[in-house]
Amino acid sequence: DTAVSQTPKYLVTQMGNDKSIKCEQNLGHDTMYWYKQDSKKFLKIMFSYNNKELIINETVPNRFSPKSPDKAHLNLHINSLELGDSAVYFCASSLTDMVRNTEAFFGQGTRLTVV
Amino acid sequence: DAKTTQPTSMDCAEGRAANLPCNHSTISGNEYVYWYRQIHSQGPQYIIHGLKNNETNEMASLIITEDRKSSTLILPHATLRDTAVYYCIAHTTGGTSYGKLTFGQGTILTVHP
Repeated sequence: DTAVSQTPKYLVTQMGNDKSIKCEQNLGHDTMYWYKQDSKKFLKIMFSYNNKELIINETVPNRFSPKSPDKAHLNLHINSLELGDSAVYFCASSLTDMVRNTEAFFGQGTRLTVV
Repeated sequence: DAKTTQPTSMDCAEGRAANLPCNHSTISGNEYVYWYRQIHSQGPQYIIHGLKNNETNEMASLIITEDRKSSTLILPHATLRDTAVYYCIAHTTGGTSYGKLTFGQGTILTVHP
């Protein structure tokens, strides 16, 4: 019973291609995120969706377009891939509770390599 | 999120307690101290969080100083599988942050046989 699952786990593609990464959570959470971990291992948030609405967009190039068809899914589409997009992308989810602080659950990551 | 400062790396012998310190001197009153860890090639994993009081769960204990400017994560009996990068994050899920986590460099904990 994987809580947050991402597909694919590995993605190798050429520069200029368009690719998508899918994420699904079965925890009943209302908020989902995409994080990027670069070669220096820094984890940085890219996007956050709450109830299918974009909440956080951390100055990510508009080649990156998240799509949330429902609360359980947050997909990441990347257009015109560049070498610098090579990284590990993590999906995460959490339950937004204004009273009780909760924790985030992360997927296993998608290692994207652009050649 | 308030800035946190952690040692770059630490070593621990298997079976001994691992004590990981974190400074968060600018933490605000509504920010909790969260600990996550990332084992090689895996996604970050939640460990524990607390506001003022010390906390314990099946994974670890969290000791927060009375002034809340620092904390210590304790793994009581470290195993080789606890080798990972440990992140201390001052954070609140309330308000407009919607749970956004700001990760620093973390502490690389290496547990030796």
